[in-house]
Amino acid sequence: AQSVTQLGSHVSVSEGALVLLRCNYSSSVPPYLFWYVQYPNQGLQLLLKYTSAATLVKGINGFEAEFKKSETSFHLTKPSAHMSDAAEYFCAVSDSGTSYGKLTFGQGTILTVHP
Amino acid sequence: DSGVTQTPKHLITATGQRVTLRCSPRSGDLSVYWYQQSLDQGLQFLIQYYNGEERAKGNILERFSAQQFPDLHSELNLSSLELGDSALYFCASSVVGQPNTEAFFGQGTRLTVV
Repeated sequence: AQSVTQLGSHVSVSEGALVLLRCNYSSSVPPYLFWYVQYPNQGLQLLLKYTSAATLVKGINGFEAEFKKSETSFHLTKPSAHMSDAAEYFCAVSDSGTSYGKLTFGQGTILTVHP
Repeated sequence: DSGVTQTPKHLITATGQRVTLRCSPRSGDLSVYWYQQSLDQGLQFLIQYYNGEERAKGNILERFSAQQFPDLHSELNLSSLELGDSALYFCASSVVGQPNTEAFFGQGTRLTVV
């Protein structure tokens, strides 16, 4: 079974500071990995995805993530936080060994950005 | 706007009742997923349909059922509701429902069971 673990349910940064949200995965087959963002009272929006091409993936709104197989990690970063980045972020994995598209999500990390 | 429409946005009902949640996928998307988001369980996959056929099943209770119609919209039926069924229910859609394709999420239906 696949799973993801997000380290830290809450992360707080100052505006302009580096954002680092941690995600570790467990999978018996090469994984497909995703980061989604959820703003209050909204659905989930895809930030970026890793599907076995480049290990450094660039997404929307200046976010990027690096797939590190040796560390089973897919951490999300942004060089400079903006107030509008405050939201909840979810790491998710899907099983490349099946034809299903179902996602297994982590517990989420709430990002707070201080002025 | 993701293009996925869910109705209603909010639903308040009593224990023991039955409700139906509706989802219209993005134009052209053949696959629909249902997820439940609750404080204690987080985001959980319930069920996936592809072009009218059930493709994958997750942690869906026997009291819950779903279907996808010929026009590709989907309904999630929840019956004999319990307080613990209170949650945000999301529908998502994707073009072919493969593991490497992006799923687009609706804004969810917030169900409150009282």
